[in-house]
Amino acid sequence: QVHMQESGPGLVRPSETLSLTCTVSGYSIRSGYHWGWIRQPPGKGLVWIGSIYYSGSTYYNPSLTSRATISVDTSKNQFSLKLSSVIAADTAVYYCARSRFQNGAVPDFWGQGTLVTVSS
Amino acid sequence: QSALTQPASVSGSPGQSITISCTGTGSDVGGYNYVSWYQQHPGKAPKVMIYEVSNRPSGVSNRFSGSKSGNTASLTISGLQAEDEADYYCSSYRSSTTPVFGTGTKVTLL
Repeated sequence: QVHMQESGPGLVRPSETLSLTCTVSGYSIRSGYHWGWIRQPPGKGLVWIGSIYYSGSTYYNPSLTSRATISVDTSKNQFSLKLSSVIAADTAVYYCARSRFQNGAVPDFWGQGTLVTVSS
Repeated sequence: QSALTQPASVSGSPGQSITISCTGTGSDVGGYNYVSWYQQHPGKAPKVMIYEVSNRPSGVSNRFSGSKSGNTASLTISGLQAEDEADYYCSSYRSSTTPVFGTGTKVTLL
């Protein structure tokens, strides 16, 4: 069974960079699938941020592509998200998820999510 | 990106059946058989209950079933139980760079 767990600071100051890591167990990232990030602002819907393949190929939501960077560390079976120049609107629960599609559609496994608050 | 439309809440008595709708367009729900449904309990990871419109992953109760007609997908929960109280989301592949998710439905027992 695939298990995914997000980790990172729960509080980030405005204009700084949000950094999260997803640790995957029960499945090797090198075996395939696309590994991505999805967020949900309080009281709002789910928004796909971007995905990465084990080779390093990335795909981003056009609305976030200038600020988001996703990387992968296959030796640790982890992938990470960096979101630069954060503002209050970036406050959300951030989920990592696995998908068979490069655009992150219909993910089949998710982490439980981590709340990141952007505030001074 | 436009979200798929779901009712905000659906309720039913124990043992009853309920259906949650998920309405999109011909570019997502209507155009592909890649629709998934997720169950999410508070503080927990979303869990796939249905994939590819009507397929159940192993371990998911057969009380959960999915279907699609035109641009609307549906999730039916039969024999409603207390453990079914949760939020439910749909998701669809879409012919663009971004996937699309539903607005979410809270299922409550009367």
